[in-house]
Amino acid sequence: DGGITQSPKYLFRKEGQNVTLSCEQNLNHDAMYWYRQDPGQGLRLIYYSQIVNDFQKGDIAEGYSVSREKKESFPLTVTSAQKNPTAFYLCASSIDGTSGSYEQYFGPGTRLTVT
Amino acid sequence: AQSVTQLGSHVSVSEGALVLLRCNYSSSVPPYLFWYVQYPNQGLQLLLKYTSAATLVKGINGFEAEFKKSETSFHLTKPSAHMSDAAEYFCAVRPDGNKLVFGAGTILRVKS
Repeated sequence: DGGITQSPKYLFRKEGQNVTLSCEQNLNHDAMYWYRQDPGQGLRLIYYSQIVNDFQKGDIAEGYSVSREKKESFPLTVTSAQKNPTAFYLCASSIDGTSGSYEQYFGPGTRLTVT
Repeated sequence: AQSVTQLGSHVSVSEGALVLLRCNYSSSVPPYLFWYVQYPNQGLQLLLKYTSAATLVKGINGFEAEFKKSETSFHLTKPSAHMSDAAEYFCAVRPDGNKLVFGAGTILRVKS
């Protein structure tokens, strides 16, 4: 089955620790995205990548970092610099990152809780 | 900047009643528009999308939406609500290129 996997489903960390969220896709999509979801705020774009070895900041990139060394993988690191990291994180991909007509496919999400 | 407004953070309907979820967008160019559904603690699933081929778009699970340029709207409807339709619904606009801009979401409650 083709799709997007995110692991783990739930993640707990202590304040001050960096944490990496995994996102893998086997859809052969060029573009990948990371969103943060908070209640009542919709989804906000953290980072996106149109092609391997290239990525751009989204609307709320501060305190986050990413890498895109392989087409199928786009891990997100939440650093200790992120002031309010507790949220639901969603990874997505699309066939082509340059054409607006292509929809994004979403993974099941990772719920991060930092205490 | 492009934006999406979903009127009503919560909508409640009776089972079998019409579902209407409202979405208005602001865009300086003809946009691509999407509706997604999210069940609790899950990712988003595409319901339907508008890409200028037809103004009335049919999606999965009996949902449809009509693009009205004059009203800058893309409201989502379903003739008869089912209990399984209870979820959160997001409207999104993609004016061009990469970025999707999401509305804040509407939680649909279906009463038996």
